[in-house]
Amino acid sequence: EAEVAQSPRYKITEKSQAVAFWCDPISGHATLYWYRQILGQGPELLVQFQDESVVDDSQLPKDRFSAERLKGVDSTLKIQPAELGDSAMYLCASSPRTSGRRYEQYFGPGTRLTVT
Amino acid sequence: AQKVTQAQTEISVVEKEDVTLDCVYETRDTTYYLFWYKQPPSGELVFLIRRNSFDEQNEISGRYSWNFQKSTSSFNFTITASQVVDSAVYFCALSEADTGTASKLTFGTGTRLQVTL
Repeated sequence: EAEVAQSPRYKITEKSQAVAFWCDPISGHATLYWYRQILGQGPELLVQFQDESVVDDSQLPKDRFSAERLKGVDSTLKIQPAELGDSAMYLCASSPRTSGRRYEQYFGPGTRLTVT
Repeated sequence: AQKVTQAQTEISVVEKEDVTLDCVYETRDTTYYLFWYKQPPSGELVFLIRRNSFDEQNEISGRYSWNFQKSTSSFNFTITASQVVDSAVYFCALSEADTGTASKLTFGTGTRLQVTL
């Protein structure tokens, strides 16, 4: 069964350093999402792509976060500089293009970031 | 604005007991989707079910069942004869359905279910 791939699974970095996460959605999925999940809370959307275009980045802290999906396939989320409050799980999800199933989101294993 | 409330932070049951996880939502949309996801200790969110706001039929899948009541804006999840493997955090979520593309999920804060022997 196809899965959403994410790397790295775990990342420890010092504050003020740069960090990047990678996501490869399920093949053929048009929509890609990055969510942030702080410990003890539900995931919150950071950015949503439809193919290579950003659909929603209203909750992305643009002074330090950036995201791209250049060819409409895999995606990278970057934080520079990292702050202590960025410690969280970063989840990537994708949705199929099929109209009847585009509301189903399939999640990757996540990247757990610890900023020291 | 959309909001999902899961008032139960943590529930502990003994194996084989039935357990119901509550979910209450708020939305101004007339068409929307409701979801339940399971998050085991490994961290990955596992899709369990999606319901359309027009479809209020309850659904059963094995030991899982879902009760959708539009009148009370609730979408509760029951596990019958719980097992240790059901231990996880369960999230209820909501998304719009009127957009041309898929839309983001608004999650509740989750309910941690602990099933013991």
